[in-house]
Amino acid sequence: GIQVEQSPPDLILQEGANSTLRCNFSDSVNNLQWFHQNPWGQLINLFYIPSGTKQNGRLSATTVATERYSLLYISSSQTTDSGVYFCAVVVSGAGSYQLTFGKGTKLSVIP
Amino acid sequence: EPEVTQTPSHQVTQMGQEVILRCVPISNHLYFYWYRQILGQKVEFLVSFYNNEISEKSEIFDDQFSVERPDGSNFTLKIRSTKLEDSAMYFCASSDSWYNEQFFGPGTRLTVL
Repeated sequence: GIQVEQSPPDLILQEGANSTLRCNFSDSVNNLQWFHQNPWGQLINLFYIPSGTKQNGRLSATTVATERYSLLYISSSQTTDSGVYFCAVVVSGAGSYQLTFGKGTKLSVIP
Repeated sequence: EPEVTQTPSHQVTQMGQEVILRCVPISNHLYFYWYRQILGQKVEFLVSFYNNEISEKSEIFDDQFSVERPDGSNFTLKIRSTKLEDSAMYFCASSDSWYNEQFFGPGTRLTVL
């Protein structure tokens, strides 16, 4: 099956700093989503981004489908950004529509 | 903004008991999913459902599990005889087509004692 690798696994930031999270995947995809899992365990949809670039406030994401990676940028980080960030993909052409998740990047933003 | 809702938010049950987890997908969505996340691990796919039948299921989704759309708004996951290893967060999701964005509910935390 498809491999979804996220890096770094852990990241500690000072409030106000910027960061880049990476997601590599091993096959062509039709769907790529970024999620933030908050301390209560809820999965918050951040981006649906199978290709291209999107921005939402301090967050932006870029997917280069031909090179099989996606990046999530967090600027001017806040303590509320803490949590785990997941990348998830749907493989194209496989007749399967399940999201396959990476193991996540655990972000801790300290004041 | 439309959202997926799930009830209950937390359920505690005894091993061997049956549980039903409930979800209300976004109203114009036709494609439904269940995922689970064991504490500290990644999110795993369980099953997808469309047109009143299972479209795809994972190895995890054995005979202990079943899904149903009992009416026009609810989507349920039943675990017939819970085991300790069923303790996890269960997420429901829905989408308006197979490749479009899947919207996740807030999850039900199931604890099996």
